Amino acid sequence: DVKVTQSSRYLVKRTGEKVFLECVQDMDHENMFWYRQDPGLGLRLIYFSYDVKMKEKGDIPEGYSVSREKKERFSLILESASTSQTSMYLCASSLAAQPQHFGDGTRLSIL
Amino acid sequence: GENVEQHPSTLSVQEGDSAVIKCTYSDSASNYFPWYKQELGKRPQLIIDIRSNVGEKKDQRIAVTLNKTAKHFSLHITETQPEDSAVYFCAASNQNSGTYKYIFGTGTRLKVLA
Repeated sequence: DVKVTQSSRYLVKRTGEKVFLECVQDMDHENMFWYRQDPGLGLRLIYFSYDVKMKEKGDIPEGYSVSREKKERFSLILESASTSQTSMYLCASSLAAQPQHFGDGTRLSIL
Repeated sequence: GENVEQHPSTLSVQEGDSAVIKCTYSDSASNYFPWYKQELGKRPQLIIDIRSNVGEKKDQRIAVTLNKTAKHFSLHITETQPEDSAVYFCAASNQNSGTYKYIFGTGTRLKVLA
């Protein structure tokens, strides 16, 4: 069974802090994705990666960056956290055209 | 840009009745359409998917239909049960683009009333 693990379920940070959200998958998937989930807005793609050190912007990349130094790990970085980035963050991975598998999510609060 | 519209945003049905959720996509190159179920506090999980070379797919009480001409696809749940209560998301993807990214709808909160 595919396992996508996000490092924290809940996280509280302060405005202006640099925040790291980590995601690890154990199935050698080449594709990894970061979404944010907000009520009434569904899942919106922030960034994705289709290979090590490769990244592409999704629909809402402003204020975020990503890092993929190893195939199994995909990190989302909030360079200077703002209250508008309070949200649920979901990581997903997939193998080629197979369905995406999601992690449990990180509920991030920026105070 | 590309988008997926999903309706209704909330849906309440009596246990045993059917539920239908509808989605419309804008990118005519989309050729893969998954549906995810997200129970409260849990991760989204794939429940059924369909590719553009078929018009309908069924798995027990769940079915999905696709109308490529209208760029429209729907989820049908028959004989609903309380455990079907969740938020359902549709998505569309162009699997020929090489990126395998999804465009998600905004979700439907389904409540099955006992």
